[in-house]
Amino acid sequence: NAGVMQNPRHLVRRRGQEARLRCSPMKGHSHVYWYRQLPEEGLKFMVYLQKENIIDESGMPKERFSAEFPKEGPSILRIQQVVRGDSAAYFCASSSAAVDNSPLHFGNGTRLTVT
Amino acid sequence: DQQVKQNSPSLSVQEGRISILNCDYTNSMFDYFLWYKKYPAEGPTFLISISSIKDKNEDGRFTVFLNKSAKHLSLHIVPSQPGDSAVYFCAPNNAGGTSYGKLTFGQGTILTVHP
Repeated sequence: NAGVMQNPRHLVRRRGQEARLRCSPMKGHSHVYWYRQLPEEGLKFMVYLQKENIIDESGMPKERFSAEFPKEGPSILRIQQVVRGDSAAYFCASSSAAVDNSPLHFGNGTRLTVT
Repeated sequence: DQQVKQNSPSLSVQEGRISILNCDYTNSMFDYFLWYKKYPAEGPTFLISISSIKDKNEDGRFTVFLNKSAKHLSLHIVPSQPGDSAVYFCAPNNAGGTSYGKLTFGQGTILTVHP
């Protein structure tokens, strides 16, 4: 009964490179959320996806960031041309329904360090 | 624009005593309030929640109180145990909307329980 799986756990990128973060939701879950936690701050919502659809991307930076959740395979958060300010912990969460008071299940995050 | 504030960055209590963590919010559209607990290098895990139609919810050692008129909620842990030492996040949402998983996290309170 695997939980939300994120990989890699740690990712180091030089400025200007691309970062790809993967998230496999819990079995049976078709809704995925990405959150970012900057140092000394709480988690901030980035994007909400269902299979093959972006439902709400109101928390995504306008440039360099994109997310997808294909029909097959994990959800991907992609950051192009990374900058030092992108260094953060990125958490993925999943749920089985859109409107349901069952709590979100979070993965253990990917810690991105930009050098 | 901080919609959720946890004004105490840290709290230290003795084992066996009560821990009280506070959270204030400004968005009157919030109608469901969750508390998450987070250990270092792990993702947040759900602890307890309360709907806006209630003013108290209890689950074992954990009780959450909601004062809607004051836009304030608190989490009580009694008796506190060393294993409760973690970061606690208040995370309300608008469950009546289409993105229930779009939580707004506070900055967190670091709880340390001393043996």
